[in-house]
Amino acid sequence: EDKVVQSPLSLVVHEGDTVTLNCSYEVTNFRSLLWYKQEKKAPTFLFMLTSSGIEKKSGRLSSILDKKELFSILNITATQTGDSAVYLCAPLVDWGKLQFGAGTQVVVTP
Amino acid sequence: DTAVSQTPKYLVTQMGNDKSIKCEQNLGHDTMYWYKQDSKKFLKIMFSYNNKELIINETVPNRFSPKSPDKAHLNLHINSLELGDSAVYFCASSQGFQGGYTFGSGTRLTVV
Repeated sequence: EDKVVQSPLSLVVHEGDTVTLNCSYEVTNFRSLLWYKQEKKAPTFLFMLTSSGIEKKSGRLSSILDKKELFSILNITATQTGDSAVYLCAPLVDWGKLQFGAGTQVVVTP
Repeated sequence: DTAVSQTPKYLVTQMGNDKSIKCEQNLGHDTMYWYKQDSKKFLKIMFSYNNKELIINETVPNRFSPKSPDKAHLNLHINSLELGDSAVYFCASSQGFQGGYTFGSGTRLTVV
């Protein structure tokens, strides 16, 4: 059975801190790994990672994939209150299906 | 301007009723999906359609019936609603099967 485990489940940090979110996966027919941010409503796309070891960056967010060890990391540096959200990891398998993890709830306090 | 729009945003209904949720996308995508997010916040795929053809049909009670009249629309009809159907239902679309979905804002269904 496919498994996607995110850790930690939740964390609270102060503005300016750096956070590291983890995602490990065991899925059949892995294609790539996606990260999404979910605030109150719809998840919004952050990154798609297909190759191991190549860091993707967008502003203060960055992510990397290790296809040998089956995990991915999402980093957020110099956190701001607007980064408060649930961050979802989702391996992409066959036919466009995303296998979502339970998410990591990040709360950034002023 | 909305890329993926769902209606209604909120739906409160009694057990046993039949209800529909509509989804439309104006992105020109050829693939559309329904996902269910339960109270534990897990997002799980229910159905997907590519060019109006059913591609994914997960283990979902047959009370749930999707319909795709064209590439831009994917509706979800639910018969004989049960308490356990209470959840947020998200529609999404993508071009092909490469991920990178765009999600709608969700429909919060509450069955009482």
